[in-house]
Amino acid sequence: QVQLQESGPGLVKPSQTLSLTCTVSGGSISSGGYYWSWIRQHPGKGLEWIGYIYYSGSTYYNPSLKSRVTLSVDTSKNQFSLKLSSVTAADTAVYYCAPYGDPSNWFDPWGQGTLVTVSS
Amino acid sequence: DIQMTQSPSSLSASVGDRVTITCRASQSISSYLNWYQQKPGKAPNLLIYAASSLQSGVPSRFSGSGSGTDFTLSISSLQPEDFATYYCQQSHSTPITFGQGTRLEIK
Repeated sequence: QVQLQESGPGLVKPSQTLSLTCTVSGGSISSGGYYWSWIRQHPGKGLEWIGYIYYSGSTYYNPSLKSRVTLSVDTSKNQFSLKLSSVTAADTAVYYCAPYGDPSNWFDPWGQGTLVTVSS
Repeated sequence: DIQMTQSPSSLSASVGDRVTITCRASQSISSYLNWYQQKPGKAPNLLIYAASSLQSGVPSRFSGSGSGTDFTLSISSLQPEDFATYYCQQSHSTPITFGQGTRLEIK
């Protein structure tokens, strides 16, 4: 089964850009059939879908974050990435990556998640 | 956006109890509804997909039902490892949205 691992800085300063990478193993991003997704969870709160990207580069973003989010994919490294600009303390959260099947339409499996804290 | 509302927000139950969690969508989503279990400090884990299909490896005491706007997740006989937070998620349309979660605690 495919496995995912998030990586990136755990601390980001306000107004800067949060950058995370998800490395996929056990399967190829280029094989198709999945939208590669980012989801976040504020401390002690529920889950918020950020967006997803297909291996071709097609992207779909949550309108609530669209103006600040950029997703990209590097098929040669079997990775996809998240950039979130102009962060504030409200962006402090655990960030997860997960495949979203097409047409299976669910998130499975999930990466272990990485906590990103926005603080000066 | 499709709003997903779970009830109750928290629930206390005992080992061996049968429990039911409800998820309501703000508009019809057919059977495009998934359920996840999350334990503290861990990522969510898929339990039920397409409203009623049990994910491989998930114990048969878990079941899901419903269509349209009203859905339920049932656990037939609670086990100690079932005490966790449960989320529903609609896959009918973007933006993908989740319920606020139901925390299942030991009584």
